[in-house]
Amino acid sequence: QQQVKQSPQSLIVQKGGISIINCAYENTAFDYFPWYQQFPGKGPALLIAIRPDVSEKKEGRFTISFNKSAKQFSLHIMDSQPGDSATYFCAATVAGGVTFGTGTKLQVIP
Amino acid sequence: GAVVSQHPSWVICKSGTSVKIECRSLDFQATTMFWYRQFPKQSLMLMATSNEGSKATYEQGVEKDKFLINHASLTLSTLTVTSAHPEDSSFYICSARDRSGPSYNEQFFGPGTRLTVL
Repeated sequence: QQQVKQSPQSLIVQKGGISIINCAYENTAFDYFPWYQQFPGKGPALLIAIRPDVSEKKEGRFTISFNKSAKQFSLHIMDSQPGDSATYFCAATVAGGVTFGTGTKLQVIP
Repeated sequence: GAVVSQHPSWVICKSGTSVKIECRSLDFQATTMFWYRQFPKQSLMLMATSNEGSKATYEQGVEKDKFLINHASLTLSTLTVTSAHPEDSSFYICSARDRSGPSYNEQFFGPGTRLTVL
């Protein structure tokens, strides 16, 4: 599988702050970039996704920024809440299965 | 929205036995389903791609004779872990793609099955 690099590995943010998670990829054939949220013992749930022909996508408090030339994309969580505490995975896909990043464990403290 | 279920949600078995995990798309037809494995505090790793009516495609390093995949209908794929050993203990997650949906690349994930082999 083609690798998707993700950072940071863990993140602690105060309530109301902005959480930022970064990812980078190598395979230019990827054409769909989803972000997943996973709670312990549960399957991943799609949070937001973007296609490479768009530089930014916003849904509520969640924004994806996409830099095609740099092959990088990031997730911004505005006004972070304790309920956002989970593990977040960036991912990339083309025709086959999803290639996941290594994950970021986010903890939002009150 | 598209819902994917898995059964069982957790299973404990003895070493040497076989375990079958079911993955169902509840409200859509899935010509393609995927099986992933996740070890504690690690990312999900794709094991195989399951196509309805044909043989599964396995990722490099995944033993096809140990992890048997059957995709007999458009809503059901099964993963059988044969002769399970403690190192097979993991969280197994399936996903399904809704080709008729607006985002054809989007995959919907099941809740996962926790397998513990004693």
